[in-house]
Amino acid sequence: DAGVTQSPTHLIKTRGQQVTLRCSPKSGHDTVSWYQQALGQGPQFIFQYYEEEERQRGNFPDRFSGHQFPNYSSELNVNALLLGDSALYLCASSQGVVTGYTFGSGTRLTVV
Amino acid sequence: KQEVTQIPAALSVPEGENLVLNCSFTDSAIYNLQWFRQDPGKGLTSLLLIQSSQREQTSGRLNASLDKSSGRSTLYIAASQPGDSATYLCAVRLAGANNLFFGTGTRLTVIP
Repeated sequence: DAGVTQSPTHLIKTRGQQVTLRCSPKSGHDTVSWYQQALGQGPQFIFQYYEEEERQRGNFPDRFSGHQFPNYSSELNVNALLLGDSALYLCASSQGVVTGYTFGSGTRLTVV
Repeated sequence: KQEVTQIPAALSVPEGENLVLNCSFTDSAIYNLQWFRQDPGKGLTSLLLIQSSQREQTSGRLNASLDKSSGRSTLYIAASQPGDSATYLCAVRLAGANNLFFGTGTRLTVIP
């Protein structure tokens, strides 16, 4: 049973560019959340998607947007990249509220 | 806003020692609490999930306790091994919310 799959694993972008990160949830999970983890910090919540709609959003600017597809997979888009966007981006999936979250291995984004 | 604090920030112990990691949170109206392990540059691996109605959960050498009224959780690791070396993160989910609030983690090193 595959867990949460994220792609790509590493990415280097130039300041001002746009980036798209992808996530496939664990089988049986219908909810996808995205987190940003800066070096030495705990993950910070970006947003959560359920039934193809953004259900909840953290304190991130509109440059961060997302999408969820009918097969529950999700994309995170970041526009006008800043150096401060360099981080590990983690995707987490869940089913309901009882089971907890399953995280992927993350995408390491470096903005130069 | 929920604040999650983990003490100590780093811990170094000899192999075979039993140890306790601490997590405290400011808002006791939580739905559940989850402990994760993170290896350097990697994603999060879920270790234990405690629902708000539970006092503890056990998995192998790991035991997590929850005292909701005092806003505390502990992760007890018995007979530590070098393979336990990693960063341990605790995360809480507030009642009625869909996101996790993370601490900054405890970096554990087990010396052979």
